[in-house]
Parts: sequence; structure tokens; C-alpha cells
Amino acid sequence: LAKTTQPISMDSYEGQEVNITCSHNNIATNDYITWYQQFPSQGPRFIIQGYKTKVTNEVASLFIPADRKSSTLSLPRVSLSDTAVYYCLVGDGVFNKFYFGSGTKLNVKP
Amino acid sequence: SAVISQKPSRDICQRGTSLTIQCQVDSQVTMMFWYRQQPGQSLTLIATANQGSEATYESGFVIDKFPISRPNLTFSTLTVSNMSPEDSSIYLCSVEQRESYNEQFFGPGTRLTVL
Repeated sequence: LAKTTQPISMDSYEGQEVNITCSHNNIATNDYITWYQQFPSQGPRFIIQGYKTKVTNEVASLFIPADRKSSTLSLPRVSLSDTAVYYCLVGDGVFNKFYFGSGTKLNVKP
Repeated sequence: SAVISQKPSRDICQRGTSLTIQCQVDSQVTMMFWYRQQPGQSLTLIATANQGSEATYESGFVIDKFPISRPNLTFSTLTVSNMSPEDSSIYLCSVEQRESYNEQFFGPGTRLTVL
């Protein structure tokens, strides 16, 4: 399984763009990269997923370089409600093998 | 997206007893998973609940300790057997729908405290 490494915590201010990078040096060919958001006392919530290059949806962008050994979640113009833990997940959907990273606690300040 | 409910939402149990956690989904799903999340920690996959066959367990988790059932495409149970305080954790059910390949939807979790 490809293990992941993320910063333990990050601070930001409202309105700023936040970039959280996840390292996954041993990522396998079948693995996808998925990011989840988790608020206290709730289950994780899907944010975005990608395999390579760049993916964008209504809430975030995901940048994956050609070697796929890392990925960066970009949150544009964060608000206080974006304060949460963000998990990088490298998973093999074919064999159902998933590894959640340790998570990055994002604290958005006014 | 799938709506997932878990019962109970929380429980306090005595050492040596067992607790069965239920996971109900509002639609048929292809895959169901069980995770454990210890306080302040990340999620660890316990097993994949297979419909009509034995669950597939991850390293460090065994069927005798965490028996799992999945009688149909919308329901699964996880039992935590012969509990000890080290089993105190949040247990989460997640599902993956055929049309959302690799995207998991999580239940709210069951907070278990073992005394």
C-alpha cells in the first residue's frame, strides 16, 4: 500500500487560497488520489479525486504532477466553515485497498 | 449521493461483552466498508463487507474479533467481540456506488467506549 505524508496542521485567513500537499512516493499504477474533509463528530466527506494532471470541481482543485508521487489540494478563498481535517487517500479501487493519510488540520481565522 | 445511517450512534460497554453496529444505506450499493478511527487519529480500514460471502479483512483485523455480515446490498453489521478498553474508538461504515467509482460515502460513525 502506498503510504501518504501530509502536514499535521495549517493556518490560514478567510479569503485566502490554501494549498495542502500530500506525498505518496510509492503510489501504484492502479491507485487513485482522493481527498476528504472531516468535521468533528462526522464521517469524512468526499471533496475531489484524480489520477493525473489537474482536476477541478465546484469546491476545489487537485494538482497531480506527472510522476504522481505527490498531489496538492487547492481550496480557493477559504471561509471559517472550511476549518476541518483534510485527508489524502491513495486507493486501489480494483482490489479495494485504501490508505488514509494522517490528515491535515486546517484552521481558518477571521 | 447515498445516505447512510448507523446504529447505535454511541454506546458505553463493559469489558468482555460484544456490540453489534448496524449500517443501513438508502440505495443499493456495490461496496461497503468498515473503518476504525481512534480519537484524534486517522481512519484505518478494518474490512470490506462482501454481499453473500465472507468479509475481506485487512492486516491486523480478524474475523473472530470483528465478525461482519452483509445479507443484502443495503445493509451490513460489524460486531466488536470480547471488548477491551483498547477497542474504544469510532467505527464508521462507508459505501461505494457503482456510478461513483472510487468515491466513498461515510456514515456518521458509532462512538464506542469500553470500560
